[in-house]
Amino acid sequence: AQRVTQPEKLLSVFKGAPVELKCNYSYSGSPELFWYVQYSRQRLQLLLRHISRESIKGFTADLNKGETSFHLKKPFAQEEDSAMYYCALPDSGGYNKLIFGAGTRLAVHP
Amino acid sequence: DAMVIQNPRYQVTQFGKPVTLSCSQTLNHNVMYWYQQKSSQAPKLLFHYYDKDFNNEADTPDNFQSRRPNTSFCFLDIRSPGLGDTAMYLCATSRGGTVFYGYTFGSGTRLTVV
Repeated sequence: AQRVTQPEKLLSVFKGAPVELKCNYSYSGSPELFWYVQYSRQRLQLLLRHISRESIKGFTADLNKGETSFHLKKPFAQEEDSAMYYCALPDSGGYNKLIFGAGTRLAVHP
Repeated sequence: DAMVIQNPRYQVTQFGKPVTLSCSQTLNHNVMYWYQQKSSQAPKLLFHYYDKDFNNEADTPDNFQSRRPNTSFCFLDIRSPGLGDTAMYLCATSRGGTVFYGYTFGSGTRLTVV
């Protein structure tokens, strides 16, 4: 069965430090992975999709099929990056269904 | 702005008293989803509609029902809420079709069963 694992519940860094939010997945086939972000008191919103290979707000994520990972990275964290981050992938049993990880809270301190 | 709107934002209901949560969208998306998210856990899919086709997850309790009277609206009905149903309920939409662009979420309804 498909599964998304985010091993860290909380990641705490100082402003300007590099950030890496880990995501590992189990999936048979070629997955399309997503990162969603939820800022305080706001709705979940799409941060980036692996298939579009874009950089949003300085964040990037590379799919590593060998390690089955899709870690989210940013070279220099900003205080406004503090939020909850969720990794997600589609359920192979249904094209339009997403399975989410439990999320990682990123806290960026001044 | 086109968006997904959930009402109410907060709902308190008594144990066993039926409750309905509402979701509306102006995106004209084909697919609407309901997720349950308990504290510190991943959002868990309850069911979704692809147009008028209802798709229930195998482990969704019978206590949870849904209605989609038209493209814009989708409702989550909990017939006899238990204390364990206290959670955030998230509505999401997607376009459908062969390319999956991901979801647009509503702000959620925080349900407390007392």
